[in-house]
Amino acid sequence: AQKITQTQPGMFVQEKEAVTLDCTYDTSDPSYGLFWYKQPSSGEMIFLIYQGSYDQQNATEGRYSLNFQKARKSANLVISASQLGDSAMYFCAMSRTDYKLSFGAGTTVTVRA
Amino acid sequence: DADVTQTPRNRITKTGKRIMLECSQTKGHDRMYWYRQDPGLGLQLIYYSFDVKDINKGEISDGYSVSRQAQAKFSLSLESAIPNQTALYFCATSDNMREGGDTQYFGPGTRLTVL
Repeated sequence: AQKITQTQPGMFVQEKEAVTLDCTYDTSDPSYGLFWYKQPSSGEMIFLIYQGSYDQQNATEGRYSLNFQKARKSANLVISASQLGDSAMYFCAMSRTDYKLSFGAGTTVTVRA
Repeated sequence: DADVTQTPRNRITKTGKRIMLECSQTKGHDRMYWYRQDPGLGLQLIYYSFDVKDINKGEISDGYSVSRQAQAKFSLSLESAIPNQTALYFCATSDNMREGGDTQYFGPGTRLTVL
């Protein structure tokens, strides 16, 4: 069975600093995808970044990067130069062989001015 | 205009009532999904559809039904609403373009309260 674990329920970060959100996963599938989504207080789910299990390089999208360590089964999200608008809940998710997503419980990030 | 729209955005209803949540998308994706999110938790899959004739139950389908009226439309029904169905409901779509997992794009969500 696939499982996503986010161990940090909440984090505080100073504006302009970097923050790392932890995500570990468990799967027996040889091919899978890892995703991060952002959910601001308004409620919508915003796709941030994707990492394929066979990708050799870590994914990056603007200020977001995914630190993928396949042997450790971790897919941590790094947000660089935090902004006030980054305050939100962040979800790690993994695609399964049937293309459905499994979500972690989320991490709340609060950016302080 | 948003690529994935949901109506209504907010709904308050009473126990025992039938309610339908609607989802439309202009992304041209074949795959559509319905999720629910309870406060402080991640998303749980209710139903999913890989094309108009292919509908499947997810993790928590009891008490729900769906209809895929067209490629672009996927509706979720609560036949007899109960208070523990109070949640935020999301529709999502994906395009089946990538081995290892499609990116799912979410609608804005529907906040449902069952009294």
